[in-house]
Amino acid sequence: DQQVKQNSPSLSVQEGRISILNCDYTNSMFDYFLWYKKYPAEGPTFLISISSIKDKNEDGRFTVFLNKSAKHLSLHIVPSQPGDSAVYFCAGNQFYFGTGTSLTVIP
Amino acid sequence: ETGVTQTPRHLVMGMTNKKSLKCEQHLGHNAMYWYKQSAKKPLELMFVYNFKEQTENNSVPSRFSPECPNSSHLFLHLHTLQPEDSALYLCASSPRFGITGQPQHFGDGTRLSIL
Repeated sequence: DQQVKQNSPSLSVQEGRISILNCDYTNSMFDYFLWYKKYPAEGPTFLISISSIKDKNEDGRFTVFLNKSAKHLSLHIVPSQPGDSAVYFCAGNQFYFGTGTSLTVIP
Repeated sequence: ETGVTQTPRHLVMGMTNKKSLKCEQHLGHNAMYWYKQSAKKPLELMFVYNFKEQTENNSVPSRFSPECPNSSHLFLHLHTLQPEDSALYLCASSPRFGITGQPQHFGDGTRLSIL
């Protein structure tokens, strides 16, 4: 049973615009959520996290929003840059990963 | 430079072969992990080692045998694998096991193909 879901396999965005990547979860016991970014032929690298007691965490161009009542979180990238083109994984706690969303930022 | 190095990067083997995947981390971490990533599936945690002791085995078939001789090295021994075992195998490490908000550091993976 998949506890973390990323229902959009891919997303294309123009450079300079906002990218919004979504993630849904079923386990209300998660106390942290993490986002990782993965380039082809490389392993995932940590991007940003949020505690379940917060509803927003910001780090430069990256902001994660958490809506606990909806069991939903989203990653906002503003402004999007071509170097942001990668696969983004959402994870609940340390080990429960989604299937990823492939982001393409078009120059 | 990820700090976590996996070898080999690619491996093709027959179902009757025996091979090993190697992972080494230079980050001073005490927890190490093996994950399997199949196409269009989420990363699946296979094994967890904390201070060289295995703490998790997520119902992984016995044809996968992990070994952790010290906190810096992790192996995955493979024997009599099946075609469905073809996947990307990722190694990761973190300072300690059990800290839910603590990010993991991943290697670049071994792409395994079973003929």
